[in-house]
Amino acid sequence: QPVLTQPPSVSGAPGQRITIPCTGSSSNIGAGYDVRWYQQHPGTAPKLLIFGTNNRPSGVPDRFSGSKSGTSASLAINGLQAEDEADYYCQSYDNTLNAWGIFGGGTKLTVL
Amino acid sequence: EVQLMESGGGLVQPGESLRLSCAASGFTFSSYSMNWVRQAPGKGLEWLSYISTNSATIYYADSVRGRFTISRDSAKNSLYLLMSSLTDEDSAIYYCARVSAGGHIDLWGQGTLVAVSS
Repeated sequence: QPVLTQPPSVSGAPGQRITIPCTGSSSNIGAGYDVRWYQQHPGTAPKLLIFGTNNRPSGVPDRFSGSKSGTSASLAINGLQAEDEADYYCQSYDNTLNAWGIFGGGTKLTVL
Repeated sequence: EVQLMESGGGLVQPGESLRLSCAASGFTFSSYSMNWVRQAPGKGLEWLSYISTNSATIYYADSVRGRFTISRDSAKNSLYLLMSSLTDEDSAIYYCARVSAGGHIDLWGQGTLVAVSS
């Protein structure tokens, strides 16, 4: 079971704002570690969307934003567009694991 | 062009071994730590292994520790994953990924498919 929990799916209409939650614990998000978000379209490799909890790499639209509160983080997408339909994964570090990091289970975003 | 290119995937039988390679180009490979990440069909991303720039620090996920070995050759700008005692649960697309100075993955390869079946 992933240590970071995401809903399997979310949906929204074009132009709407949606959020994707990522629930962790005191050993990962709650401990203050950075949260990253990756976007993956079907049949393609993942792509970095958000790093350092709320920083966007060059080329990522400012419609995408990240936030964190307590032991949870969220990815928000404003002005939903058809091309945003994809899978989204949160990722962080957990201090109970001898590992580089952990991924959430992923959330499939459907644009209605 | 900055890119990572995996190779070595294919169909193998349970219990067999396979070595994956990842060729880096367009950047100073020796300056970056690297990861292997896999994705089983219809499933999410699973981090497998990490190697630091000088290979001094290596981590493995519990699911592959003792069966998989990560290594790198900076002279060849290449990352490797030696996989042994493969089972059908190891069937997946395997990605190599570059770790930025900030600790996040900032570059992914296109992936190579490994299928384990008798």
